Amino acid sequence: RKEVEQDPGPFNVPEGATVAFNCTYSNSASQSFFWYRQDCRKEPKLLMSVYSSGNEDGRFTAQLNRASQYISLLIRDSKLSDSATYLCVVAASGTYKYIFGTGTRLKVLA
Amino acid sequence: GAGVSQSPSNKVTEKGKDVELRCDPISGHTALYWYRQRLGQGLEFLIYFQGNSAPDKSGLPSDRFSAERTGESVSTLTIQRTQQEDSAVYLCASSPTQGPRSAFFGQGTRLTVV
Repeated sequence: RKEVEQDPGPFNVPEGATVAFNCTYSNSASQSFFWYRQDCRKEPKLLMSVYSSGNEDGRFTAQLNRASQYISLLIRDSKLSDSATYLCVVAASGTYKYIFGTGTRLKVLA
Repeated sequence: GAGVSQSPSNKVTEKGKDVELRCDPISGHTALYWYRQRLGQGLEFLIYFQGNSAPDKSGLPSDRFSAERTGESVSTLTIQRTQQEDSAVYLCASSPTQGPRSAFFGQGTRLTVV
């Protein structure tokens, strides 16, 4: 089993739609969680951290479910500019080793 | 500089040659990471440094790969006797010791082995 797993997609959604991605992780001792965004042929960039209580940044909401070992990302009112690959990242407890999922590709259609 | 800087941005090399890839992390970031991303694939962890030491080298794919870091700053990733399967984008990232431990990436070195 991979340490971090994501549905590769693509998720094709119309503008204005709400879309959600999940990511599961295998190490129950994982402590830090993030969502990164990667545009085609560009480097990954931090989208948001994921906190235990859940957190929101504008149209983006991230949640953590420790019991089921998954994190989620919800995007409301999708924009064309949201089209990208979204990478789930988990940092192992006590280390600085960041484990990346292979990403979920989102296409927002006009 | 303001961000993570990698050089060269592109490198074409002949099979069997050695290559060195360089990463300049954000000033003050003690953690530094190397990842590999093949075309259309996810990020593959190679190695990370805490200061100048590498507590985890488990991701290096073979003994042809090595990395070092000096002065808690610049890092070089060396690939000896390159093979075609080494063709990929090599991404470097750094993160601070304090606060949210998120990693900031450089723009990568695109390596093509012909």
